[in-house]
Amino acid sequence: DTGVSQDPRHKITKRGQNVTFRCDPISEHNRLYWYRQTLGQGPEFLTYFQNEAQLEKSRLLSDRFSAERPKGSFSTLEIQRTEQGDSAMYLCASSHREVWTGELFFGEGSRLTVL
Amino acid sequence: GESVGLHLPTLSVQEGDNSIINCAYSNSASDYFIWYKQESGKGPQFIIDIRSNMDKRQGQRVTVLLNKTVKHLSLQIAATQPGDSAVYFCAENISAGKSTFGDGTTLTVKP
Repeated sequence: DTGVSQDPRHKITKRGQNVTFRCDPISEHNRLYWYRQTLGQGPEFLTYFQNEAQLEKSRLLSDRFSAERPKGSFSTLEIQRTEQGDSAMYLCASSHREVWTGELFFGEGSRLTVL
Repeated sequence: GESVGLHLPTLSVQEGDNSIINCAYSNSASDYFIWYKQESGKGPQFIIDIRSNMDKRQGQRVTVLLNKTVKHLSLQIAATQPGDSAVYFCAENISAGKSTFGDGTTLTVKP
């Protein structure tokens, strides 16, 4: 399978705990994006990387959220001191900057439930 | 005046009919527009895109229309099939940066 993979697919945690999600993009893609999606809404942009550089962060990304892509391949999204409002689907997508077609290739998401 | 299709959160059509899904975008500087399909429990999947210098683009059974004057985008699906049932999102993009998604439309195809 050469698509975008995300892990874990589901995470249930208690309020105040930290969680980390991992995304492995399509191998030749140099751009990686994180989005958050709540029920009935479109994906909301959080942040994106080109190689290892984080190019843009949304104001939605509070200081409890941190994303990294240390070697320009996989990425992690960490949420510290989770709140119930963090419950959502966290989507990762990748694309190739030099072969820009507008298409983002999405993974199947990591669903977070904060109790 | 020109009629602009309204965005509807849900759309129900009969199998075999044509479907039209509408979207209003917000940024006049957007130069790329994309339609995605999202099935339950899955990530969005690319359907078709259009650049701002075009007003129509056709794919297999799908057509996207762009009206920059009123910042409106539509997706037409011909001969809608049960497998087309999903949530459809439009997205806008500026200079190959991030894509901003609109509100979705849930399409239900009745057999």
